[in-house]
Amino acid sequence: NAGVTQTPKFRVLKTGQSMTLLCAQDMNHEYMYWYRQDPGMGLRLIHYSVGEGTTAKGEVPDGYNVSRLKKQNFLLGLESAAPSQTSVYFCATTGNGETQYFGPGTRLLVL
Amino acid sequence: DQQVKQNSPSLSVQEGRISILNCDYTNSMFDYFLWYKKYPAEGPTFLISISSIKDKNEDGRFTVFLNKSAKHLSLHIVPSQPGDSAVYFCAASAGGGATNKLIFGTGTLLAVQP
Repeated sequence: NAGVTQTPKFRVLKTGQSMTLLCAQDMNHEYMYWYRQDPGMGLRLIHYSVGEGTTAKGEVPDGYNVSRLKKQNFLLGLESAAPSQTSVYFCATTGNGETQYFGPGTRLLVL
Repeated sequence: DQQVKQNSPSLSVQEGRISILNCDYTNSMFDYFLWYKKYPAEGPTFLISISSIKDKNEDGRFTVFLNKSAKHLSLHIVPSQPGDSAVYFCAASAGGGATNKLIFGTGTLLAVQP
């Protein structure tokens, strides 16, 4: 039982490149979330999903897209990376609607 | 507009003493509050929570106090241990519903000195 896993752990991109971050959970949870953490800013919600096939915008959605084709996976895409997207990205999931469980994070550096 | 505020970026305490981490919020619709602990290079881990119908919740060395009238909550760690050294995030939720979104504070770095 791995809980919440994130792939990759670390990535360096050049401005304008694209990539996809994968979040996988084996907890059979309906709700999944993508956050970014920046120094002095706490965690900010990018996009979230309340179930398979659904997605919605969070607090800072610009420059990102998401997909939830399977219940266990939540993908975060950057179509054209910018230096402002340098951050640590965390995926989270919840089943009971209260406590969210987080993955280990993906460190992204955009040059 | 920061709805959840942790005004102390850092806190240093001696091992065995009490650590008190504070959190203020502005949105009166928040009805569920959580504390997360985060070690470097790891994801946040859930620590303790409290519903707005309570004013105290205790779990071992950790106690969370909620003062709704002041829109303030605090996390007490007694006794503090070096392994408690981490960043602590306060988070709040407004009524669950269909989204269960959390709003996080900016975190407080706790250093417990041996």
